[in-house]
Amino acid sequence: GQQLNQSPQSMFIQEGEDVSMNCTSSSIFNTWLWYKQDPGEGPVLLIALYKAGELTSNGRLTAQFGITRKDSFLNISASIPSDVGIYFCAGQIGGAQKLVFGQGTRLTINP
Amino acid sequence: GAVVSQHPSWVICKSGTSVKIECRSLDFQATTMFWYRQFPKQSLMLMATSNEGSKATYEQGVEKDKFLINHASLTLSTLTVTSAHPEDSSFYICSARKVGAGRTDTQYFGPGTRLTVL
Repeated sequence: GQQLNQSPQSMFIQEGEDVSMNCTSSSIFNTWLWYKQDPGEGPVLLIALYKAGELTSNGRLTAQFGITRKDSFLNISASIPSDVGIYFCAGQIGGAQKLVFGQGTRLTINP
Repeated sequence: GAVVSQHPSWVICKSGTSVKIECRSLDFQATTMFWYRQFPKQSLMLMATSNEGSKATYEQGVEKDKFLINHASLTLSTLTVTSAHPEDSSFYICSARKVGAGRTDTQYFGPGTRLTVL
């Protein structure tokens, strides 16, 4: 089936550091979505991207829709303890309504 | 934003019983909702697409007679796990599709339901 490769799988950083994670695919995506999931909770939408090349920010978070339409990255600047969690990329291929999910990036922050 | 609720947030049941989980879009209408299942430390696995007023579309390997889906209104979809067994214990999450201006297409997730079958 369709697959998104998300990396890294886990990150251990110091508070205040910047974070970068990305997703790549062999398929062309029409939409890229980035979610954060806390333990025992549903994913929360962070940033939605709809156009190739689009760069969007949400506070300390910035995400870009790759120009090839096959990749996307998410950056977090000046990390704080509440950034801890699992980050998922997800995308839509063609006219499909359903999302394809990455494997997730688990972020741990040392105070 | 868009708010999606799920009820109950957790449920414990005996093996052989049925459990119903509700998913509601609170401030928007959703002709399409999705049901996912998530195992510990894994990504979300799509079970089925729920379409208002029509039959759900199930992913390969998901038993439609075991996981009954009803989407009777534009704001409510239900998932019923019939004759539940311990292997059905999992975290079930729904999402609702919101189509916005410029044909933007976004899914908003509910908080999840933890099902434990004894």
